[in-house]
Amino acid sequence: DTGVSQNPRHKITKRGQNVTFRCDPISEHNRLYWYRQTLGQGPEFLTYFQNEAQLEKSRLLSDRFSAERPKGSFSTLEIQRTEQGDSAMYLCASSLEGRGNTEAFFGQGTRLTVV
Amino acid sequence: SQKIEQNSEALNIQEGKTATLTCNYTNYSPAYLQWYRQDPGRGPVFLLLIRENEKEKRKERLKVTFDTTLKQSLFHITASQPADSATYLCAPLRADSWGKLQFGAGTQVVVTP
Repeated sequence: DTGVSQNPRHKITKRGQNVTFRCDPISEHNRLYWYRQTLGQGPEFLTYFQNEAQLEKSRLLSDRFSAERPKGSFSTLEIQRTEQGDSAMYLCASSLEGRGNTEAFFGQGTRLTVV
Repeated sequence: SQKIEQNSEALNIQEGKTATLTCNYTNYSPAYLQWYRQDPGRGPVFLLLIRENEKEKRKERLKVTFDTTLKQSLFHITASQPADSATYLCAPLRADSWGKLQFGAGTQVVVTP
């Protein structure tokens, strides 16, 4: 399977714990995006990498969130001191370099539940 | 600020009929508009892209229109099938976009036999 892979698929954590998600993009894609989606809403942009450089981070993103993409390959998204409001589906996508005419390939997502 | 609106109510349609979904945007001028399909618990899947200089785009049973005057895109599923049941998301993008997607809330389509 050469699609975008995300792990884990589901994560249940207690409030206050830290969690980390992993995304493996399509190998030839140099762009990687993280989105968050809550029920009944479309995915909301969180952050974006071109190769290993994080080029944009949403202003809505709390300081508790951090993302990395070492060596421009896989990426991790960490949430520190989780809150119940962090419960959502976290989606990773990758694409080739381009403008708005470049399609994004999404992973299956990681469903986070904070209890 | 940029705003994207899609029909919030689910669209229930009988198999074989045409489903028509609306995507309206305000406060910006996209050069491209992408449509995605999303099944429950899965990530979105790209369907079609239409450029601002294209009035209409077709792919199999799908048809998309892009009216920059009305600031609207219409998405049609002809000869709908139960397998078409899903949520459909639109994402208008500016010419200088580097691929960051801003989605509407999506419209759920339910096709009944």
